[in-house]
Amino acid sequence: GQQLNQSPQSMFIQEGEDVSMNCTSSSIFNTWLWYKQDPGEGPVLLIALYKAGELTSNGRLTAQFGITRKDSFLNISASIPSDVGIYFCAGRIIQGAQKLVFGQGTRLTINP
Amino acid sequence: EPEVTQTPSHQVTQMGQEVILRCVPISNHLYFYWYRQILGQKVEFLVSFYNNEISEKSEIFDDQFSVERPDGSNFTLKIRSTKLEDSAMYFCASSDLAKNIQYFGAGTRLSVL
Repeated sequence: GQQLNQSPQSMFIQEGEDVSMNCTSSSIFNTWLWYKQDPGEGPVLLIALYKAGELTSNGRLTAQFGITRKDSFLNISASIPSDVGIYFCAGRIIQGAQKLVFGQGTRLTINP
Repeated sequence: EPEVTQTPSHQVTQMGQEVILRCVPISNHLYFYWYRQILGQKVEFLVSFYNNEISEKSEIFDDQFSVERPDGSNFTLKIRSTKLEDSAMYFCASSDLAKNIQYFGAGTRLSVL
């Protein structure tokens, strides 16, 4: 089946540091989405990407859709305590297919 | 802001029992989904639903599972005879026709004893 490889699995950083995480796949994606999940909650959409090469920002978050359409990264600048959580990449592989394929998640922990 | 709502937040059941998980998607959305997340693992697609029928399903979604839109607002997932391995968080999601961004509910934690 389709697989998204997300890395790193976990990150331990100091408040104020920048964060970078990425997802790669052997399959071509036509949509990349980045979600954040807090404990006991559902995934909340952070950024959506639709075109190869697209670079999109949402506040301190920036994400890019790789030009090969097989990868995407998410950067968080100047991290704050509320950035703690699990970040998931997700994508749609086939044009018109509805299902999202999720990465394994990156657990972000911030030391104040 | 419109949101997907799910009930109950936690369901405890005995193995072999039937459970129904309920969802109210965002009102103008046309596509509905169920995903599950086993503790500590990634989110996995179960089924998508459009125009009153299943449009796509995964290998996880076997004959024990069914979905229904019983009225204009609710979308349900039924597990006919629960197994221990069905214990997980179950997330409902919905999307509109145009952008197809899927918005998730807070989930129902299903515990099968």
